[in-house]
Amino acid sequence: KAGVTQTPRYLIKTRGQQVTLSCSPISGHRSVSWYQQTPGQGLQFLFEYFSETQRNKGNFPGRFSGRQFSNSRSEMNVSTLELGDSALYLCASAGQGAGEQYFGPGTRLTVT
Amino acid sequence: QQQVKQSPQSLIVQKGGIPIINCAYENTAFDYFPWYQQFPGKGPALLIAIRPDVSEKKEGRFTISFNKSAKQFSLHIMDSQPGDSATYFCAASGAGNMLTFGGGTRLMVKP
Repeated sequence: KAGVTQTPRYLIKTRGQQVTLSCSPISGHRSVSWYQQTPGQGLQFLFEYFSETQRNKGNFPGRFSGRQFSNSRSEMNVSTLELGDSALYLCASAGQGAGEQYFGPGTRLTVT
Repeated sequence: QQQVKQSPQSLIVQKGGIPIINCAYENTAFDYFPWYQQFPGKGPALLIAIRPDVSEKKEGRFTISFNKSAKQFSLHIMDSQPGDSATYFCAASGAGNMLTFGGGTRLMVKP
């Protein structure tokens, strides 16, 4: 099976812009979660989608949003970018039961 | 609020040594405890995971020890190799797939 794929891999944006990141889960996986990884805050949970519904949400401002499509692919959007949004954004997919999550390679976002 | 505390932050061992990484959690609702390995420029890779109904789990050279009463769990890497040099993260989750991660341990295995 192909693993989790994320596009684009690298992105440079300017403060105030918005950005959309994409994630394709492992075939058959219906749960997609998003995480932000920074040197200062580590790995932090953003949100989880399951069958097109947001199931869990982390402690991030409303500028961070996401959605999931009927084919389980997911996108996350960050509006009004701030310098502090520079991070590695990771997507993880999971199968039917709660537990094993498999991460993609991430999208490295740099905000200038 | 950091709900999973990981130590040490960094660790250096000689090849063949047994690095041990420790994690402690607060939330008693957690019921799934995975360990991830991350190399530079890559996403975290699932290594091994445990649930509270067992006290130890082994997969290859990796062992998780779990102490439910102390709310602690640890990763042991047997016969460590230079290729094991990476950052290791413990994590925990309850219902659903929301993982709470520890701060990470940077491991270096010297030849």
